[in-house]
Amino acid sequence: DTEVTQTPKHLVMGMTNKKSLKCEQHMGHRAMYWYKQKAKKPPELMFVYSYEKLSINESVPSRFSPECPNSSLLNLHLHALQPEDSALYLCASSQDWSGSRETQYFGPGTRLLVL
Amino acid sequence: GNSVTQMEGPVTLSEEAFLTINCTYTATGYPSLFWYVQYPGEGLQLLLKATKADDKGSNKGFEATYRKETTSFHLEKGSVQVSDSAVYFCALSRGNTPLVFGKGTRLSVIA
Repeated sequence: DTEVTQTPKHLVMGMTNKKSLKCEQHMGHRAMYWYKQKAKKPPELMFVYSYEKLSINESVPSRFSPECPNSSLLNLHLHALQPEDSALYLCASSQDWSGSRETQYFGPGTRLLVL
Repeated sequence: GNSVTQMEGPVTLSEEAFLTINCTYTATGYPSLFWYVQYPGEGLQLLLKATKADDKGSNKGFEATYRKETTSFHLEKGSVQVSDSAVYFCALSRGNTPLVFGKGTRLSVIA
């Protein structure tokens, strides 16, 4: 089973709202990732968690706040977003973050619209 | 730094045509190479991968061979179907660095 699940599938929020995106995997993977994908572009890495610790933050604005409560769950808390933050947010996981042969498995994404 | 270059799309083919999507890379050492596919309105799915030179990845009729001498990982399929219409991303992974994606190639297959 190589399934990564994400909820919600779609989200519409105002610029003053607070919302959270959720990601879950049960493959025993120890690395989890958040990506942002704009239309007709490849995914852009936002955060990497390895063994539940934040390993990489690609200079993401503080209005995006990641959280890894345990090895199976990854959240992305959203606050005071801007319309340009509207995008598809993808979660991924891999066995580890330590080797070039690790395969990342992606979830179906949350399509976010900020009004 | 590491980079991936894919052929520009969109690519439009008739059903049962032969498909080639070119992908070349720049990287030090021996990266792992991947093809991901993104169907409309969905996330990315791993299509195939290769982790060392001369390896051939294959899945669902798609193939790609890791060519170190030409730094290439071209995607091929002998006979495409309408259901293959999607965006295809070539990507590489090298050590503890983020996955590097190409810009993606949109494929449209018409009946």
